Amino acid sequence: GAGVSQSPSNKVTEKGKDVELRCDPISGHTALYWYRQSLGQGLEFLIYFQGNSAPDKSGLPSDRFSAERTGGSVSTLTIQRTQQEDSAVYLCASSPPGIEETQYFGPGTRLLVL
Amino acid sequence: AQSVTQLGSHVSVSEGALVLLRCNYSSSVPPYLFWYVQYPNQGLQLLLKYTTGATLVKGINGFEAEFKKSETSFHLTKPSAHMSDAAEYFCAVSEGSYIPTFGRGTSLIVHP
Repeated sequence: GAGVSQSPSNKVTEKGKDVELRCDPISGHTALYWYRQSLGQGLEFLIYFQGNSAPDKSGLPSDRFSAERTGGSVSTLTIQRTQQEDSAVYLCASSPPGIEETQYFGPGTRLLVL
Repeated sequence: AQSVTQLGSHVSVSEGALVLLRCNYSSSVPPYLFWYVQYPNQGLQLLLKYTTGATLVKGINGFEAEFKKSETSFHLTKPSAHMSDAAEYFCAVSEGSYIPTFGRGTSLIVHP
């Protein structure tokens, strides 16, 4: 079946512009996560959605970062006024109900801020 | 609080040799432990996980890991490396909150 998909796969933007990154989780998965992966670093947790509960935003690095999940499915991560240090791979993952500890990752969006 | 330490940012082995990737964790409660693999330009794929029960866990592609509580370790092994095993490997720990903490990763290099 279809896995987690993310778009765009690559994004180049200028410093100060806003960007939107999209994640389509696996159908039926109730949990959705966003991570940031910088060169040579592990995965940095950003935000977690679970069903209709309020999202856990504890990992967002600044108020320039926000995310929403519409209809319990598709999620959009928005970065406002991008900075060069925002350049990274942004990974989305989803988990099925009952085994939320197992995450299925998308291929990521590679963001480059010039 | 939970944390993960992966010893060695790079591990180099010859094809056919034993693969050993080290992971030590810190957790205040019984942990869930994971190993993920990431091939170039792809997302992470779950290799194996430990939640409860048997401490020796077998995963995909011939990998296995053993949970050793006394050593707070969850090292990943494979008896015989293949060229196709060359990738980045991440160890992760969660305390049941479903938000895992990932290590910095170990790049496995396999020489012919």
